[in-house]
Amino acid sequence: NAGVTQTPKFQVLKTGQSMTLQCAQDMNHNSMYWYRQDPGMGLRLIYYSASEGTTDKGEVPNGYNVSRLNKREFSLRLESAAPSQTSVYFCASTATMGTQYFGAGTRLSVL
Amino acid sequence: GIQVEQSPPDLILQEGANSTLRCNFSDSVNNLQWFHQNPWGQLINLFYIPSGTKQNGRLSATTVATERYSLLYISSSQTTDSGVYFCVLTGGFKTIFGAGTRLFVKA
Repeated sequence: NAGVTQTPKFQVLKTGQSMTLQCAQDMNHNSMYWYRQDPGMGLRLIYYSASEGTTDKGEVPNGYNVSRLNKREFSLRLESAAPSQTSVYFCASTATMGTQYFGAGTRLSVL
Repeated sequence: GIQVEQSPPDLILQEGANSTLRCNFSDSVNNLQWFHQNPWGQLINLFYIPSGTKQNGRLSATTVATERYSLLYISSSQTTDSGVYFCVLTGGFKTIFGAGTRLFVKA
């Protein structure tokens, strides 16, 4: 049972490049989330998906898009990366409004 | 929106000491969780505790929802307890993290 798996673990981009962060969970959870964590801070919610086929904005959605591909997978896309998007990105899932389970994170640097 | 305040912001303990971390929140919430982020960045669930008291080994937590606070107790601290402890509140699907308490346990 892998839990929540994020890929890649590390990524370096140049300003203006695009990329997609992948997240998959094998716990049959309905809800999935994307967060970013900046140095010395807590996590901030970018987007969430309450269930398959639905997505909603969180606290800091600007510059990001998401896709809930199926119940297992929830991807985060940066269309035109900016240095302000340098951060650690975490994906999480939960069965309903219960305990959240987090992936290991993706460390992204935008130069 | 919901405000979450954690105290203290930083804490240094000698191995074996006990500590209490506090989380105050501004509004009623559906649930409250405590997480530990270890020095390698991994986030580990400690407690899902919207109300009441729970214990897991050396750790225990109490949430008094009517008074809008939660406490995390760490007893007989170990160096592996070092890291950041987050109080996390959820109202609906919106999730708010506190700023965390950074704990360092000295051997």
